[in-house]
Amino acid sequence: SQKIEQNSEALNIQEGKTATLTCNYTNYSPAYLQWYRQDPGRGPVFLLLIRENEKEKRKERLKVTFDTTLKQSLFHITASQPADSATYLCARDFNQAGTALIFGKGTTLSVSS
Amino acid sequence: DSGVTQTPKHLITATGQRVTLRCSPRSGDLSVYWYQQSLDQGLQFLIQYYNGEERAKGNILERFSAQQFPDLHSELNLSSLELGDSALYFCASSVDRGSPLHFGNGTRLTVT
Repeated sequence: SQKIEQNSEALNIQEGKTATLTCNYTNYSPAYLQWYRQDPGRGPVFLLLIRENEKEKRKERLKVTFDTTLKQSLFHITASQPADSATYLCARDFNQAGTALIFGKGTTLSVSS
Repeated sequence: DSGVTQTPKHLITATGQRVTLRCSPRSGDLSVYWYQQSLDQGLQFLIQYYNGEERAKGNILERFSAQQFPDLHSELNLSSLELGDSALYFCASSVDRGSPLHFGNGTRLTVT
């Protein structure tokens, strides 16, 4: 079965620095990977989607990469702010036929001022 | 606001009981997904419905069942509840394959 892992449970950085979060997957390369942000007690909120044929995707201060050789996606937040503090989840397809997603356990980012 | 509505927000019940969680998807979304989130397990996929039909089944226990009605709202039924079923239960909806999921703010279930 597919697995998706986020190796770091927590990441602490200083305001203004770049945060880099890692997501690794197993088995076949998914058609796309998605990244979500979750605040305590709230549902996850979609941030970015990157397709298999896209190496990199950007949205404002966010950047996602997709490396099918390493079976890895990196999520970057540049010029980080305390408001970026949250748990970030990556997700891939549950199976090749469906549209459901499975999620990694998440990385909790803390940005200190 | 994601447009996905979940009720109730909180639910406290005893072991052995049965509860029903309700979800109204975002307008226009045909797919509904249910997830369970506990501290140690992360976000676990339970089941997906598309336009009333079951589309994919994940780690859903036999004591749990779900359905999607003609108006597209969905219900998750949890029976013979155990202490370990205490968790946040999220519903999400999407338009189509590969589209982002839109999550509700969950139902917090506490089994005592």
